[in-house]
Amino acid sequence: AQTVTQSQPEMSVQEAETVTLSCTYDTSESDYYLFWYKQPPSRQMILVIRQEAYKQQNATENRFSVNFQKAAKSFSLKISDSQLGDAAMYFCAYLRMNYGGATNKLIFGTGTLLAVQP
Amino acid sequence: ETGVTQTPRHLVMGMTNKKSLKCEQHLGHNAMYWYKQSAKKPLELMFVYNFKEQTENNSVPSRFSPECPNSSHLFLHLHTLQPEDSALYLCASSPRGGRVETQYFGPGTRLLVL
Repeated sequence: AQTVTQSQPEMSVQEAETVTLSCTYDTSESDYYLFWYKQPPSRQMILVIRQEAYKQQNATENRFSVNFQKAAKSFSLKISDSQLGDAAMYFCAYLRMNYGGATNKLIFGTGTLLAVQP
Repeated sequence: ETGVTQTPRHLVMGMTNKKSLKCEQHLGHNAMYWYKQSAKKPLELMFVYNFKEQTENNSVPSRFSPECPNSSHLFLHLHTLQPEDSALYLCASSPRGGRVETQYFGPGTRLLVL
């Protein structure tokens, strides 16, 4: 069974600095997606960034980028120039690719609570 | 605003009450999901509907009854709940059939069972 592990329950970063959140996963599949979602105090789950396993190039979305190490099964999120609005719970998630109408189960880690200090 | 709405946003109910949660998506997706988020636990997938058909029931107790009348609407009917059912209930939707299946979430319903 696939599992997702976020080993940092809480992190803190100074405004304008860079922070990296860790995520590891376990799977025997070769084709899958990985996601980072952000959940601010409003509880709205917001997609931050997505990576397809077959792509070697790391995904980037403005100040957010990932370091995807497929062999190591590692998928860390780097937030550059941190802003107060980045304070939230961040969840790493795994989605197995499927075809032919099979179910699509998103597996989440337990989350990392990021605080941004002014 | 992700295009997925949920009502009500907050709900308090007694163990003998019957209530329903509603989810609506305006994204043209054809898969919808219910998740339960409890404190200190990972999100738990409860149900999956693809093209209005239930394709996943993750061993959810029968006091939770989902309904998907069309691809845009999803309900979760609640009856005789227990205090441990208090949680944030999140709805999500995603496109089906293509290679990329990103799930988009609603704002959630915070449920308190007394």
